[in-house]
Amino acid sequence: NAGVTQTPKFQVLKTGQSMTLQCAQDMNHNSMYWYRQDPGMGLRLIYYSASEGTTDKGEVPNGYNVSRLNKREFSLRLESAAPSQTSVYFCASSGGGAQETQYFGPGTRLLVL
Amino acid sequence: EDKVVQSPLSLVVHEGDTVTLNCSYEVTNFRSLLWYKQEKKAPTFLFMLTSSGIEKKSGRLSSILDKKELFSILNITATQTGDSAIYLCAVGNAGGTSYGKLTFGQGTILTVHP
Repeated sequence: NAGVTQTPKFQVLKTGQSMTLQCAQDMNHNSMYWYRQDPGMGLRLIYYSASEGTTDKGEVPNGYNVSRLNKREFSLRLESAAPSQTSVYFCASSGGGAQETQYFGPGTRLLVL
Repeated sequence: EDKVVQSPLSLVVHEGDTVTLNCSYEVTNFRSLLWYKQEKKAPTFLFMLTSSGIEKKSGRLSSILDKKELFSILNITATQTGDSAIYLCAVGNAGGTSYGKLTFGQGTILTVHP
């Protein structure tokens, strides 16, 4: 039982390049989330998926897109990376609804030059 | 817009000290308040407090929720160097499309010196 896994662990991009961050969970959770963490700003929600087949914007969605591929997988795509997207990205999952305790993956550290 | 504010933002103590971390919140339809500990990587879950459970304790860590005054505290007694981490507070919203989402505070960076 791996919990929540993320790939890659670390990535360097040039401005304008695109990439996809992958996330998978094996806890049969309904809901999945993408956050970014910047110094002094806690965790900010980018996008979330309350259940398979649905996605919604969070607090800071600009510059990102997501895909809920199936119940297990939720990917985050940067179409044209900008230096402001340099951050640590966390994926999380929860049972959904009243089961709001979220479990986090190990994070992806992204540097955009 | 839901809002969570933690204080202090950083704290340096020595082993054996007792610390109190604060979390205040404004949320339209409060459902729960959660505490997480973040060491080098992913946040890990500590406690969840709701209307039906306003006090939790696990070893040297304890937390209370004051729904009237809209705040929570996390106490750590007899601190150890392994308690050094970022402590995150989050609130869950029970309303509409926000159901199941969490809003996080900025975090408190705790450093425990030997």
